[in-house]
This record gives sequence, C-alpha cells and structure tokens, in this order.
Amino acid sequence: KAGVTQTPRYLIKTRGQQVTLSCSPISGHRSVSWYQQTPGQGLQFLFEYFSETQRNKGNFPGRFSGRQFSNSRSEMNVSTLELGDSALYLCASDYGSGMNTEAFFGQGTRLTVV
Amino acid sequence: QKEVEQDPGPLSVPEGAIVSLNCTYSNSAFQYFMWYRQYSRKGPELLMYTYSSGNKEDGRFTAQVDKSSKYISLFIRDSQPSDSATYLCAMKGRGSTLGRLYFGRGTQLTVWP
Repeated sequence: KAGVTQTPRYLIKTRGQQVTLSCSPISGHRSVSWYQQTPGQGLQFLFEYFSETQRNKGNFPGRFSGRQFSNSRSEMNVSTLELGDSALYLCASDYGSGMNTEAFFGQGTRLTVV
Repeated sequence: QKEVEQDPGPLSVPEGAIVSLNCTYSNSAFQYFMWYRQYSRKGPELLMYTYSSGNKEDGRFTAQVDKSSKYISLFIRDSQPSDSATYLCAMKGRGSTLGRLYFGRGTQLTVWP
C-alpha cells in the first residue's frame, strides 16, 4: 500500500510569489490535513479537508488556502510569500471517521522563501 | 498554556538504556493518542496509536495513557543508536475535531553506542 505522497519535495521561491503544494493520501483515506513545521514553533495545524470540505482550520492568515478533490488528493496554496513562510509543510491522511483514525504523514515539502 | 506539553530535551542515553518520554495535556476531550518518530529532514513516522486509557506494547516500545492524570508516556527498551530521532506526542478528540492533531514540541533523543 503506497504511503502519503507530497510533491514537490523542495521548493525555493521569492518573496511575493505564490506556491502550490500537492498531497496524495493513502488509498481509501478521505481526510487530509496540513501542518507547518518550523524549529521555533514546532508543528502547527493549517487546515483539514474531509470529503472535499474544509472541516477544521488553524490560526493562519488567509494567504494560506487549500482544497480537496473528489479523489481525496489535496493542494495547499500560499500567496504573497513572506520570508517567515519558510518551513517544512507536511500533510497527513487518515480515514477521517470511525475508530481507525491513525494519521500517516508524507515526507513533506521544504519551502524556502528568499 | 499550550494544550500539549512535552519536554524538548535533548535527551542523551547510552545504548541499551530504557528511555522514558512523556507528555501532559489539558483538554479532557482528547481520546486518541499517538507517538511519532521523526528523523532529521523526514516526515513523522507513526510509532504507537492508543485509544483512551491503558497500555499498548509493540516490540521494544510501550505506550501508556493515563486520562485521569492527562499524562501519556512512551517507553523504549534496549535503546539503539537507530532510535536517535525526535519523538512527538500527538492527540485528538472526536467528532468534528477528529481530523486535527495536537502536537507536543517533540523530544530530541540521542542514543550513543
């Protein structure tokens, strides 16, 4: 069974640009959540999508947005990039309901804003 | 106060030692508890998953959850240099908040030969 796949693995962008990151969940998983990881703040929750609907949202500015497609694949977009957006962006997938709710992570996308 | 507290360490132990990692939390709605291991520049890897209170053992790893004290632990027996990583505790509630994980800051562990 394939794991969670995130693309691209590495990105370098300039301040003011926008970026789109992709996450393909484990087959059968309907929930995809996104996290930002930095050395200073640890793992911070961005948002979660379940069956194409945003179900939970963290405390990030509106520049951070996401969506989920009918095949459960998800994308997140960051517009007007700032230096402070440099981080490892992780997505996790799980079934989203029921008792088996183990969440599995991808390898992350390392974004560097210069 | 953060919802999940975890001592960041660093923790350094000799090979073969028993390692104890702990987290406390404040939200009594948390029902699912997880431990992740994260190697440098990699994504977190799920180690242990526990529902509600109790113990769970998997090889050299034992997870304990004490909901009355809002305290969870991970024990690593016969630690190996390959266990050197950052260990993250995580937890979540039920219903509409099921998809959101609340993390501790992570404990950096080094096991030296």
